[in-house]
Amino acid sequence: GAGVSQSPSNKVTEKGKDVELRCDPISGHTALYWYRQRLGQGLEFLIYFQGNSAPDKSGLPSDRFSAERTGESVSTLTIQRTQQEDSAVYLCASSLQSGAPGLGYFYEQYFGPGTRLTVT
Amino acid sequence: ELKVEQNPLFLSMQEGKNYTIYCNYSTTSDRLYWYRQDPGKSLESLFVLLSNGAVKQEGRLMASLDTKARLSTLHITAAVHDLSATYFCAVRWGGSEKLVFGKGTKLTVNP
Repeated sequence: GAGVSQSPSNKVTEKGKDVELRCDPISGHTALYWYRQRLGQGLEFLIYFQGNSAPDKSGLPSDRFSAERTGESVSTLTIQRTQQEDSAVYLCASSLQSGAPGLGYFYEQYFGPGTRLTVT
Repeated sequence: ELKVEQNPLFLSMQEGKNYTIYCNYSTTSDRLYWYRQDPGKSLESLFVLLSNGAVKQEGRLMASLDTKARLSTLHITAAVHDLSATYFCAVRWGGSEKLVFGKGTKLTVNP
């Protein structure tokens, strides 16, 4: 089936505006992850969902960032009052489940193409 | 806090040569990943290493894991231009699902 999709692929916004980024995981994947990648850097974890709940929000950089997931499917990452330092590529990933299904096994995370956010 | 360090960050090599990328991490983890990223593209999973001494090979790439040393290596054999990309290692942190990534190694293979 289709892979992880994200929209929009590119977003340019003015400082102070709110933006919403969308992620459609692979069908049947109950775990969903958001990461941020600044230019020339590795990925920073933001938040992950197991079903519709978010057991780990520790990577959200400030209270301007929030995310929700409904119906164990689509997730939206919202950034309020955007700042220039929010400019980055926001990547979403999904996996069948989270946790360790057993010794020597794992649930692989599949990444979407990302949304490039530019705050001017 | 888990820290993941890769080196080198930039690597320029000639076709046909061998080289190794290193990934060190600061605390115990049960899972280490290697990813490839082409410019403007998302991440492609290369290897997942789950146990001490694990070695996996795919084509010209071979990854290994030493959990006691908290070190993984990605060895490139007889490099070809198509291997030019940025390579990331990532480590699962403790019992969470958080992956902590290194800064990446930008590999350029010159003809």
